[in-house]
Amino acid sequence: GAVVSQHPSRVICKSGTSVKIECRSLDFQATTMFWYRQFPKQSLMLMATSNEGSKATYEQGVEKDKFLINHASLTLSTLTVTSAHPEDSSFYICSARDKGNYPYEQYFGPGTRLTVT
Amino acid sequence: ELKVEQNPLFLSMQEGKNYTIYCNYSTTSDRLYWYRQDPGKSLESLFVLLSNGAVKQEGRLMASLDTKARLSTLHITAAVHDLSATYFCAVDMDSNYQLIWGAGTKLIIKP
Repeated sequence: GAVVSQHPSRVICKSGTSVKIECRSLDFQATTMFWYRQFPKQSLMLMATSNEGSKATYEQGVEKDKFLINHASLTLSTLTVTSAHPEDSSFYICSARDKGNYPYEQYFGPGTRLTVT
Repeated sequence: ELKVEQNPLFLSMQEGKNYTIYCNYSTTSDRLYWYRQDPGKSLESLFVLLSNGAVKQEGRLMASLDTKARLSTLHITAAVHDLSATYFCAVDMDSNYQLIWGAGTKLIIKP
């Protein structure tokens, strides 16, 4: 099956610093990737939709200047949390859609646990 | 606005029992997914349901889709402890291929 990797799996950073999270589709081309955030005991919250070669589309309430998304190639999207604060601590999950094969399913990365101290 | 409602949100059951998790959604869609999430982990795809009347089974889990009733069910047969996890259903939006998520059902299976 399709594989999506995410790196790092876990990161601890100090308040005010920036953190970059990478999401890669390993065996298919993903023109569309999604970034989710998950709080403890809650469902997934879509942050943004990332399309290769164009600007990301952010969901309402998500600060695009704080959560920078770049989708520079068909296999890589990055999420940069800028000037991180403790309230940004969360579990971030990316997914990549395989548009080459119906039903164009989303495949999920293993997630990144961000802790801001 | 598309809404996806799962129930129950929490389920504690004994090993060996049967139970069903329900997923209702508010608009037309013919693609519905079930996922499993273990604590601290990402999502594991369980079932992809693509048409009305679709039924899929894997081990002790069986999922079905009724697009007319806008209802999917995840049935657990003779539950075992290893099935303890949180289960999510998600509905595919045709317009932008986003997934709309249910709140999740936390399943605890006691020996």
